[in-house]
Amino acid sequence: GENVEQHPSTLSVQEGDSAVIKCTYSDSASNYFPWYKQELGKRPQLIIDIRSNVGEKKDQRIAVTLNKTAKHFSLHITETQPEDSAVYFCAASNSGGGADGLTFGKGTHLIIQP
Amino acid sequence: EAGVVQSPRYKIIEKKQPVAFWCNPISGHNTLYWYLQNLGQGPELLIRYENEEAVDDSQLPKDRFSAERLKGVDSTLKIQPAELGDSAVYLCASSPGLFADTQYFGPGTRLTVL
Repeated sequence: GENVEQHPSTLSVQEGDSAVIKCTYSDSASNYFPWYKQELGKRPQLIIDIRSNVGEKKDQRIAVTLNKTAKHFSLHITETQPEDSAVYFCAASNSGGGADGLTFGKGTHLIIQP
Repeated sequence: EAGVVQSPRYKIIEKKQPVAFWCNPISGHNTLYWYLQNLGQGPELLIRYENEEAVDDSQLPKDRFSAERLKGVDSTLKIQPAELGDSAVYLCASSPGLFADTQYFGPGTRLTVL
């Protein structure tokens, strides 16, 4: 089955700086890679996703890059703000013909220092 | 549009007791998932339904866990009997289905087994 590794487990950055979270996956058949943000005691919320036919996707301060050859993808947050503090999860699935279940990484606790 | 609804939000039971969780997916979403999230970890898939059919239950511990999705809408996840190690958050998610794979999560049920 799929295995997703996520690094770092904790990331502390100064407000206004950029944050980068990296994930690798093992199954070359995976073709859908979402990122979720989860605040303490809340539900995971999708912030951005990318499919294997795209190398990069941006949405305001958030961007995701995908390297299919190396089987890794990264989340980039620019101009970080206090409200960006949360746990971020990457995930992967094979969604060729149906919405397969996601395999998640272990999460990155992002701390934005004022 | 209402999101994924789950109840109860919290449940405390004694070990060996039964417990059930209920999920109402987003209207029109054919695919429903149950995930388990341990503290400090990413969600792990337990079972996936396409309408009323369980198409992936390989990670569901079938000796004590069961699930159903009658009429292809609401779903119930049951544990009988519960063990101490079952303490976790049980998340339900839904997606539109075929070739539309974005998953939307409910708030989860936090189970504590004493």
